Amino acid sequence: AQSVAQPEDQVNVAEGNPLTVKCTYSVSGNPYLFWYVQYPNRGLQFLLKYITGDNLVKGSYGFEAEFNKSQTSFHLKKPSALVSDSALYFCAVRDDNNDMRFGAGTRLTVKP
Amino acid sequence: KAGVTQTPRYLIKTRGQQVTLSCSPISGHRSVSWYQQTPGQGLQFLFEYFSETQRNKGNFPGRFSGRQFSNSRSEMNVSTLELGDSALYLCASSLAPLAGRETQYFGPGTRLLVL
Repeated sequence: AQSVAQPEDQVNVAEGNPLTVKCTYSVSGNPYLFWYVQYPNRGLQFLLKYITGDNLVKGSYGFEAEFNKSQTSFHLKKPSALVSDSALYFCAVRDDNNDMRFGAGTRLTVKP
Repeated sequence: KAGVTQTPRYLIKTRGQQVTLSCSPISGHRSVSWYQQTPGQGLQFLFEYFSETQRNKGNFPGRFSGRQFSNSRSEMNVSTLELGDSALYLCASSLAPLAGRETQYFGPGTRLLVL
């Protein structure tokens, strides 16, 4: 069965510093990988997804994620964090059978 | 352009009852997906519909069902409600199925409380 792990419950970064939110997955076959963000009182939003092609995927709000097949990872990154990036981030994986699983979420706090 | 709308926004039911939640996608979007979010289980995928066809269903019991109409609006139904069904139910729409490159847009969710 497929699975996805977000090894960090909480990530703290200073504003202006680069941020990374980690995600690793386990799936048989080709993975479809997703990142979502949930801001307080603003609901869930789609950030980006990897289907196939370039390993570096660019998404909304300056975020990007790198698909690494050998390390089975799909880490979310941003070169310069903003206080407004503080939110709950979810990674998800979907397999060829369309079974979709979410990680437990990582709470990102960006301090001024 | 109007966003994804979900009705009702809040709902209180008692165990054993059934409930129907509605999702209206962004105009022109033909794909609708449903998700359940609870403090204990986190986010879980429920269904994906595209052009009135259920493409995929998550690991939920048969009490959870759904459908999509010709205007792409979708409903999900939960019968014989259990306390554990209390959750935020989220709907998202996109132009094409999840396996495509299109962006998903989420509605505000329906918060269901089962007493």
